[in-house]
Amino acid sequence: GDSVTQTEGQVTVSESKSLIINCTYSATSIAYPNLFWYVRYPGEGLQLLLKVITAGQKGSSRGFEATYNKETTSFHLQKASVQESDSAVYYCALSDPGGADRLTFGKGTQLIIQP
Amino acid sequence: AQTIHQWPVAEIKAVGSPLSLGCTIKGKSSPNLYWYWQATGGTLQQLFYSITVGQVESVVQLNLSASRPKDDQFILSTEKLLLSHSGFYLCAWSRDRGHTGQLYFGEGSKLTVL
Repeated sequence: GDSVTQTEGQVTVSESKSLIINCTYSATSIAYPNLFWYVRYPGEGLQLLLKVITAGQKGSSRGFEATYNKETTSFHLQKASVQESDSAVYYCALSDPGGADRLTFGKGTQLIIQP
Repeated sequence: AQTIHQWPVAEIKAVGSPLSLGCTIKGKSSPNLYWYWQATGGTLQQLFYSITVGQVESVVQLNLSASRPKDDQFILSTEKLLLSHSGFYLCAWSRDRGHTGQLYFGEGSKLTVL
Protein backbone atom coordinates (compact mmCIF):
# COMPACT_ATOMS: atom_id res chain seq x y z
CA GLY A 1 0.00 0.00 0.00
CA ASP A 2 0.89 3.67 0.00
CA SER A 3 2.71 5.25 2.92
CA VAL A 4 4.16 8.53 4.12
CA THR A 5 7.10 8.83 6.49
CA GLN A 6 7.93 12.13 8.12
CA THR A 7 10.17 13.43 10.88
CA GLU A 8 8.63 11.80 13.90
CA GLY A 9 7.64 13.23 17.23
CA GLN A 10 8.70 16.69 18.20
CA VAL A 11 11.01 19.26 16.64
CA THR A 12 12.21 22.27 18.64
CA VAL A 13 13.56 25.31 16.82
CA SER A 14 14.59 28.72 18.12
CA GLU A 15 12.66 31.70 16.82
CA SER A 16 14.10 33.18 13.59
CA LYS A 17 16.04 29.97 12.84
CA SER A 18 15.44 27.78 9.81
CA LEU A 19 13.28 24.67 9.78
CA ILE A 20 13.07 21.49 7.78
CA ILE A 21 10.60 18.70 8.38
CA ASN A 22 11.39 15.66 6.27
CA CYS A 23 8.75 13.77 4.34
CA THR A 24 9.20 10.81 2.03
CA TYR A 25 6.49 8.79 0.39
CA SER A 26 5.90 5.42 -1.16
CA ALA A 27 3.12 5.17 -3.69
CA THR A 28 3.15 1.68 -5.12
CA SER A 29 0.05 2.05 -7.26
CA ILE A 30 0.18 5.76 -8.09
CA ALA A 31 2.70 7.10 -10.60
CA TYR A 32 2.30 10.75 -9.62
CA PRO A 33 0.46 11.23 -6.35
CA ASN A 34 -0.80 14.60 -5.18
CA LEU A 35 1.24 15.82 -2.21
CA PHE A 36 0.07 17.96 0.71
CA TRP A 37 1.13 19.52 3.95
CA TYR A 38 -1.63 19.97 6.53
CA VAL A 39 -1.27 21.82 9.81
CA ARG A 40 -3.15 21.86 13.10
CA TYR A 41 -2.61 24.95 15.23
CA PRO A 42 -3.47 24.74 18.95
CA GLY A 43 -7.23 24.86 19.44
CA GLU A 44 -7.97 24.76 15.71
CA GLY A 45 -8.97 22.16 13.15
CA LEU A 46 -6.63 20.49 10.67
CA GLN A 47 -6.17 22.75 7.65
CA LEU A 48 -4.32 22.68 4.36
CA LEU A 49 -0.99 24.49 4.39
CA LEU A 50 0.10 23.80 0.83
CA LYS A 51 -0.27 21.29 -1.97
CA VAL A 52 1.61 20.31 -5.13
CA ILE A 53 0.10 18.08 -7.78
CA THR A 54 2.86 18.22 -10.41
CA ALA A 55 6.26 16.56 -9.97
CA GLY A 56 9.10 19.08 -9.93
CA GLN A 57 6.92 21.97 -8.78
CA LYS A 58 7.18 23.90 -5.53
CA GLY A 59 4.32 24.93 -3.31
CA SER A 60 4.46 27.77 -0.81
CA SER A 61 2.27 29.34 1.85
CA ARG A 62 2.82 31.50 4.96
CA GLY A 63 6.58 31.44 4.35
CA PHE A 64 6.73 27.64 4.11
CA GLU A 65 7.89 25.84 0.97
CA ALA A 66 7.93 22.25 -0.24
CA THR A 67 9.18 20.82 -3.53
CA TYR A 68 7.77 17.68 -5.11
CA ASN A 69 10.83 15.53 -5.87
CA LYS A 70 9.85 12.38 -7.73
CA GLU A 71 13.43 11.09 -7.97
CA THR A 72 13.89 10.99 -4.21
CA THR A 73 10.14 10.57 -3.51
CA SER A 74 10.36 13.44 -1.05
CA PHE A 75 8.32 16.51 -0.13
CA HIS A 76 10.25 18.21 2.68
CA LEU A 77 8.74 21.25 4.38
CA GLN A 78 11.09 24.21 4.86
CA LYS A 79 10.99 27.68 6.29
CA ALA A 80 13.86 30.12 6.41
CA SER A 81 12.87 31.89 9.63
CA VAL A 82 10.27 30.48 12.00
CA GLN A 83 8.04 32.47 14.32
CA GLU A 84 6.34 31.55 17.56
CA SER A 85 3.01 31.44 15.71
CA ASP A 86 4.31 28.51 13.65
CA SER A 87 4.01 26.22 16.67
CA ALA A 88 1.67 23.47 15.49
CA VAL A 89 1.47 19.85 14.36
CA TYR A 90 2.37 19.33 10.70
CA TYR A 91 1.21 16.39 8.58
CA CYS A 92 2.53 15.30 5.21
CA ALA A 93 -0.01 13.48 3.03
CA LEU A 94 -0.56 12.05 -0.42
CA SER A 95 -3.57 11.17 -2.52
CA ASP A 96 -4.36 9.41 -5.74
CA PRO A 97 -5.38 11.89 -8.44
CA GLY A 98 -7.08 9.03 -10.23
CA GLY A 99 -10.18 9.37 -8.09
CA ALA A 100 -9.74 7.27 -4.96
CA ASP A 101 -11.15 9.41 -2.17
CA ARG A 102 -8.37 8.84 0.29
CA LEU A 103 -5.56 10.85 1.85
CA THR A 104 -2.64 8.86 3.25
CA PHE A 105 -1.04 10.78 6.12
CA GLY A 106 2.27 10.68 7.91
CA LYS A 107 2.18 10.47 11.71
CA GLY A 108 2.61 14.19 12.20
CA THR A 109 5.44 16.33 13.54
CA GLN A 110 4.95 18.68 16.47
CA LEU A 111 6.88 21.89 15.98
CA ILE A 112 7.81 23.84 19.09
CA ILE A 113 9.30 27.29 18.71
CA GLN A 114 11.56 28.56 21.47
CA PRO A 115 11.56 32.32 21.99
CA ALA B 1 -18.73 30.75 3.92
CA GLN B 2 -18.76 27.05 4.64
CA THR B 3 -18.55 25.75 8.18
CA ILE B 4 -18.08 22.31 9.62
CA HIS B 5 -19.13 21.43 13.14
CA GLN B 6 -18.38 18.22 14.99
CA TRP B 7 -19.94 16.93 18.19
CA PRO B 8 -19.18 16.06 20.88
CA VAL B 9 -15.77 17.63 21.41
CA ALA B 10 -14.79 14.83 23.77
CA GLU B 11 -16.31 11.67 25.20
CA ILE B 12 -15.32 9.19 27.88
CA LYS B 13 -17.19 5.90 27.41
CA ALA B 14 -17.16 2.41 28.84
CA VAL B 15 -16.24 -0.67 26.82
CA GLY B 16 -19.40 -2.18 25.37
CA SER B 17 -21.38 1.05 25.41
CA PRO B 18 -22.80 2.65 22.26
CA LEU B 19 -21.32 5.66 20.51
CA SER B 20 -22.55 8.33 18.15
CA LEU B 21 -20.38 11.09 16.72
CA GLY B 22 -21.78 13.70 14.41
CA CYS B 23 -20.74 16.23 11.85
CA THR B 24 -22.67 18.99 10.07
CA ILE B 25 -21.54 21.04 7.10
CA LYS B 26 -23.20 24.35 6.34
CA GLY B 27 -22.88 26.50 3.25
CA LYS B 28 -22.00 23.76 0.76
CA SER B 29 -24.48 21.60 -1.12
CA SER B 30 -23.63 18.00 -1.98
CA PRO B 31 -20.18 17.89 -0.38
CA ASN B 32 -18.08 14.74 -0.34
CA LEU B 33 -17.83 13.70 3.31
CA TYR B 34 -15.21 11.71 5.16
CA TRP B 35 -14.45 10.24 8.58
CA TYR B 36 -10.82 9.96 9.69
CA TRP B 37 -9.40 8.45 12.86
CA GLN B 38 -6.09 8.69 14.64
CA ALA B 39 -5.17 6.38 17.49
CA THR B 40 -2.75 7.79 20.05
CA GLY B 41 0.70 7.61 18.46
CA GLY B 42 -0.81 6.38 15.21
CA THR B 43 -1.52 7.74 11.77
CA LEU B 44 -4.62 9.52 10.57
CA GLN B 45 -6.53 7.04 8.45
CA GLN B 46 -9.72 7.29 6.49
CA LEU B 47 -12.60 5.20 7.81
CA PHE B 48 -15.53 6.12 5.55
CA TYR B 49 -16.50 8.40 2.71
CA SER B 50 -19.76 9.47 1.16
CA ILE B 51 -20.46 11.30 -2.07
CA THR B 52 -24.23 11.50 -1.70
CA VAL B 53 -27.07 11.08 0.78
CA GLY B 54 -27.65 7.49 1.79
CA GLN B 55 -24.42 6.19 0.26
CA VAL B 56 -21.42 5.43 2.46
CA GLU B 57 -18.29 3.48 1.54
CA SER B 58 -16.19 1.78 4.18
CA VAL B 59 -12.42 2.03 3.84
CA VAL B 60 -11.15 0.44 7.05
CA GLN B 61 -12.97 -2.16 9.13
CA LEU B 62 -13.02 -1.09 12.76
CA ASN B 63 -16.43 -2.38 13.90
CA LEU B 64 -17.82 1.08 13.28
CA SER B 65 -20.54 2.23 10.93
CA ALA B 66 -21.36 5.52 9.25
CA SER B 67 -24.49 7.02 7.80
CA ARG B 68 -25.43 10.10 5.84
CA PRO B 69 -29.08 10.78 6.67
CA LYS B 70 -29.06 14.28 5.18
CA ASP B 71 -26.95 16.10 2.60
CA ASP B 72 -25.17 18.10 5.29
CA GLN B 73 -24.86 15.47 8.01
CA PHE B 74 -22.49 12.55 8.60
CA ILE B 75 -22.81 10.21 11.58
CA LEU B 76 -20.28 7.70 12.96
CA SER B 77 -21.58 5.08 15.35
CA THR B 78 -21.26 1.70 16.97
CA GLU B 79 -23.41 -0.31 19.33
CA LYS B 80 -20.47 -1.71 21.29
CA LEU B 81 -17.28 0.19 21.87
CA LEU B 82 -13.91 -1.53 22.10
CA LEU B 83 -10.80 -0.25 23.87
CA SER B 84 -9.19 0.01 20.44
CA HIS B 85 -11.73 2.65 19.39
CA SER B 86 -10.03 5.25 21.55
CA GLY B 87 -8.49 8.11 19.61
CA PHE B 88 -9.25 11.26 17.71
CA TYR B 89 -12.00 11.36 15.10
CA LEU B 90 -12.08 13.93 12.35
CA CYS B 91 -14.88 14.70 9.95
CA ALA B 92 -13.99 16.38 6.65
CA TRP B 93 -15.54 17.53 3.42
CA SER B 94 -14.29 18.27 -0.08
CA ARG B 95 -15.66 19.74 -3.26
CA ASP B 96 -14.29 17.10 -5.61
CA ARG B 97 -13.01 13.56 -5.78
CA GLY B 98 -9.39 12.58 -6.11
CA HIS B 99 -8.17 15.21 -3.64
CA THR B 100 -6.86 17.54 -6.30
CA GLY B 101 -8.78 20.02 -4.27
CA GLN B 102 -8.69 20.84 -0.60
CA LEU B 103 -10.02 18.79 2.29
CA TYR B 104 -11.72 20.81 5.04
CA PHE B 105 -11.63 19.30 8.51
CA GLY B 106 -13.67 19.79 11.62
CA GLU B 107 -12.01 20.34 14.97
CA GLY B 108 -12.37 16.71 15.92
CA SER B 109 -13.85 14.55 18.65
CA LYS B 110 -11.59 12.94 21.24
CA LEU B 111 -12.83 9.53 22.38
CA THR B 112 -11.52 7.70 25.42
CA VAL B 113 -12.78 4.17 25.99
CA LEU B 114 -12.23 2.74 29.46
